Amino acid sequence: QSALTQPPSASGSPGQSVTISCSGTSSDVGGYNYVSWYQHHPGDAPKLLIYEGDKRPSGVPDRFSGSRSGNTASLTVSGLQTEDEAFYYCSSYAGSDYYVVFGGGTKLTVL
Amino acid sequence: QVQLVQSGAEVKKPGSSVKVSCEASGGAFSSNLIHWVRQAPGQGLEWMGRTIPINGITGYSVNFKGRMTITADKFTSTIFMELSRLTSDDTATYYCARGDFYSFDLWGQGAKVTVSS
Repeated sequence: QSALTQPPSASGSPGQSVTISCSGTSSDVGGYNYVSWYQHHPGDAPKLLIYEGDKRPSGVPDRFSGSRSGNTASLTVSGLQTEDEAFYYCSSYAGSDYYVVFGGGTKLTVL
Repeated sequence: QVQLVQSGAEVKKPGSSVKVSCEASGGAFSSNLIHWVRQAPGQGLEWMGRTIPINGITGYSVNFKGRMTITADKFTSTIFMELSRLTSDDTATYYCARGDFYSFDLWGQGAKVTVSS
């Protein structure tokens, strides 16, 4: 069982927006502004999309945005493209026992 | 080019140990942290532990403390992750990843470890 809770699946049509949630507790998501989001195409290495809640690394399109409210973080993908079809994982700092915890992942399907 | 190159696939017997390497090239070693993350078949990502290569300080998830060891060879810019007392639940793809304390911006290609009798 993953420490953070994500919906197993999400979907949208090209051009639409979709939001993926990531629920935790005050010991992880709600307690620290260190939520990250990763895109993972099976067979490839995961790719960092968002760090520290809402920051994008260089090269990541601004179609990807992150936010947090209380113990829940969200990733919004705007202007969906077929190449956005992948698994998306959130992670959060969780203190000195677990350090970093991940969500179970969300499979995004672009219809 | 900055990259992390991992060792190849391994097949291990239950109860044995596995040692996976991660060679950092192009400056990836420097002052960053190197983390280890695994993904079991059909499962999500799981953070295992991390090291600061320049000083050797390590940190492990409570789930792996006691049977996981991360070491670094500064001369070859290679980080090693050893996991002992393997069971079938340890069958997974093991990734090394560079980052700060909280996020990982560069990943290795993954090393598949299969534990089977």
